[in-house]
Amino acid sequence: GQNIDQPTEMTATEGAIVQINCTYQTSGFNGLFWYQQHAGEAPTFLSYNVLDGLEEKGRFSSFLSRSKGYSYLLLKELQMKDSASYLCAPRSGGYQKVTFGTGTKLQVIP
Amino acid sequence: EAGVAQSPRYKIIEKRQSVAFWCNPISGHATLYWYQQILGQGPKLLIQFQNNGVVDDSQLPKDRFSAERLKGVDSTLKIQPAKLEDSAVYLCASILGYGLPSGANVLTFGAGSRLTVL
Repeated sequence: GQNIDQPTEMTATEGAIVQINCTYQTSGFNGLFWYQQHAGEAPTFLSYNVLDGLEEKGRFSSFLSRSKGYSYLLLKELQMKDSASYLCAPRSGGYQKVTFGTGTKLQVIP
Repeated sequence: EAGVAQSPRYKIIEKRQSVAFWCNPISGHATLYWYQQILGQGPKLLIQFQNNGVVDDSQLPKDRFSAERLKGVDSTLKIQPAKLEDSAVYLCASILGYGLPSGANVLTFGAGSRLTVL
């Protein structure tokens, strides 16, 4: 089975840095996605980690520790448009099953 | 390249009626997923196809939901009869395949079909 845990809501200030944590228990793990979802829209791809360590992409970075079943998404220089839900999604198995967590709703305030 | 196409975008039906959603994935994408997303929750995987074969349907309520991908390209998800709790957005997504470099394995979503059951 799969178990994914991430905070339900977070609030951060414009210009600040925020870290969204995700823990997972997944058999046959072979990578982890982070997706962003604005209200009323479909999820869009942010990052993908398959090996341990930090992947940086502009203002967004994602970290993975496979031994700990742990990942985080780091958002720097927060902007109002970053207000959205952030979904942690481990991938598993030979057929690439992708399971989503409940999502973390981030509110960026002035 | 064209994205994942879904229709209809919105559908309102009464309980016990039936509804069908259509998805056309990105050209060449072998793997297709149907997710159900209830308001305030993350997407829940209903069914996953590899070409025209089902590889995971463990969370599909098979007494009322069915899906097919007959020619390994587009897919249809049907609900019959619908219940109030089926009100959700139905998201279709596709991915190129497995055993490929990670950059080729991004899950791409369609805009979704929003279902309201009254």
